Amino acid sequence: RKEVEQDPGPFNVPEGATVAFNCTYSNSASQSFFWYRQDCRKEPKLLMSVYSSGNEDGRFTAQLNRASQYISLLIRDSKLSDSATYLCVVNRGFGNEKLTFGTGTRLTIIP
Amino acid sequence: SAVISQKPSRDICQRGTSLTIQCQVDSQVTMMFWYRQQPGQSLTLIATANQGSEATYESGFVIDKFPISRPNLTFSTLTVSNMSPEDSSIYLCSVVILGMNEQYFGPGTRLTVT
Repeated sequence: RKEVEQDPGPFNVPEGATVAFNCTYSNSASQSFFWYRQDCRKEPKLLMSVYSSGNEDGRFTAQLNRASQYISLLIRDSKLSDSATYLCVVNRGFGNEKLTFGTGTRLTIIP
Repeated sequence: SAVISQKPSRDICQRGTSLTIQCQVDSQVTMMFWYRQQPGQSLTLIATANQGSEATYESGFVIDKFPISRPNLTFSTLTVSNMSPEDSSIYLCSVVILGMNEQYFGPGTRLTVT
């Protein structure tokens, strides 16, 4: 089993729609969770950290389910600029700043 | 966040040669890391750059092939030695800024080995 698993997509979604990505992780000791976005030929950029109670940042909502070892990202009212690859990222354990990256989910917003 | 720069941004090198990549950050950082992203794949951690001491390498990566230096808190170098076409990849440094939990990435160095 991969340490971090994501559906690679691609997801082709019309502008204005809502889209959700899921991610599962295998290391129950992981304590820190993130979503990064990566545009073509660019470095990953932090989108948001994921907190136990769930958190929202504008049109983006992240949820964590520790029991199921499952993370989600919801994008509402999608924009053309949301087209990117979304990377699910977890740390390797308590106090461990080393990260494990999922392979990413490719999203294309269609006008 | 922080401003992270990498040099060079890209290079085309011949097999058997070596390339040194520099990473400079404008803020105080606690941790610095080096990653590789091969074509069409996600990021793989190469090593943790430790200030003033030997880097800590991940499984599958060795110091002879990827020597790393970190002479101070805000600067690190990664050398890709005795290159082969399989080393063609994007190499990225990342930092954890003092007082924060998240990692931020440099713009990457796109390396092509012919």
